[in-house]
Amino acid sequence: GQNIDQPTEMTATEGAIVQINCTYQTSGFNGLFWYQQHAGEAPTFLSYNVLDGLEEKGRFSSFLSRSKGYSYLLLKELQMKDSASYLCAVASGYSTLTFGKGTMLLVSP
Amino acid sequence: GAGVSQSPSNKVTEKGKDVELRCDPISGHTALYWYRQRLGQGLEFLIYFQGNSAPDKSGLPSDRFSAERTGESVSTLTIQRTQQEDSAVYLCASSLEGAGGVPGKRETQYFGPGTRLLVL
Repeated sequence: GQNIDQPTEMTATEGAIVQINCTYQTSGFNGLFWYQQHAGEAPTFLSYNVLDGLEEKGRFSSFLSRSKGYSYLLLKELQMKDSASYLCAVASGYSTLTFGKGTMLLVSP
Repeated sequence: GAGVSQSPSNKVTEKGKDVELRCDPISGHTALYWYRQRLGQGLEFLIYFQGNSAPDKSGLPSDRFSAERTGESVSTLTIQRTQQEDSAVYLCASSLEGAGGVPGKRETQYFGPGTRLLVL
């Protein structure tokens, strides 16, 4: 079966750094995606990892360890607009993406 | 337009009526997906199209739900005899390629704005 785990909620303050973890157990692995979803809006693509290591894109970075079934999304210099749900999703090569339930991040002043 | 579009954006219907939701994927994207998202919940996979065929429709919750895709483009999701539990946001996504291909960003799914369905 497919299983994706991520924390339900996290809080952080403006300007800080936050790390959102995701662990997965899937049959097959074709890559891991992170999406951002603001309340009432559709998810938007943030990052993709298929090889071990860190992918950096501006204030956001995503890390993958395939042997550990583990990824994290790192957000630096947090801004109020970063308050959103962050979805981890795995492509297992069998069917569509399997999404985690999302981590709701609240950034406070 | 450049992105995925869905219509209607909002739909209010009475219990027992049929509804049809439409999705226009990004031009050239071969794969199309339907998801359901209840208030405060995660994404629930419904069905996946590769071209006009549906290799995976395991997420359809009951036989009241059906979907089709024509011309490797537009897709419609039909819910018959709607129930109050069907109230949710129905999201459509498309990707350049479908599952099972060479790993890469070509599987990246791009989402439409969703249809908010309320069954009274």
